[in-house]
Amino acid sequence: EAGVTQFPSHSVIEKGQTVTLRCDPISGHDNLYWYRRVMGKEIKFLLHFVKESKQDESGMPNNRFLAERTGGTYSTLKVQPAELEDSGVYFCASSHPRRALGDTQYFGPGTRLTVL
Amino acid sequence: DAKTTQPPSMDCAEGRAANLPCNHSTISGNEYVYWYRQIHSQGPQYIIHGLKNNETNEMASLIITEDRKSSTLILPHATLRDTAVYYCIVRVVDSWGKLQFGAGTQVVVTP
Repeated sequence: EAGVTQFPSHSVIEKGQTVTLRCDPISGHDNLYWYRRVMGKEIKFLLHFVKESKQDESGMPNNRFLAERTGGTYSTLKVQPAELEDSGVYFCASSHPRRALGDTQYFGPGTRLTVL
Repeated sequence: DAKTTQPPSMDCAEGRAANLPCNHSTISGNEYVYWYRQIHSQGPQYIIHGLKNNETNEMASLIITEDRKSSTLILPHATLRDTAVYYCIVRVVDSWGKLQFGAGTQVVVTP
């Protein structure tokens, strides 16, 4: 079974540009999460999809960030325009919807974003 | 979700057991204890979770005290590949929501 995949693995852009990160969850996982770690800080939650619906987007830092999950499969996270403080590693995770007790999230390898 | 406290770092000799403590004194009756780890440059990896009974899987054992205010993750025979940051996370049962990561414990396994 393939794990969570993320693309690209690295992205270097200039301030003001746009970047789109993609996450492909494990097949059959309705729950999809985005997290990020900025330099020197802890891993922070961004948002949670259940299928194509946003269940919780309380961690999205501002309106420069837009997450979508059309069709309830893969998800994209767009940053427009990117700022220096957006640099960090962006992780995607997915989990199975019908686990009876305790939800295990499986993480992708992350996308390292550098904004110059 | 309740807050957890972990030591910032610890060393362990290869082949020995690594015992990682976690305090969660404000844990509620409906909250699980989860452990994840992050090996350098990889995404976080699930290790184990439990509610009140001790748990064991192929990776580790989880010992939860009777009052549930603390727990210990045990890596029975640490290898160099177990060098990672280990996170203890408390989370509500039947919750499919976010994981709240703290600073974790940096574990270094030495030859």
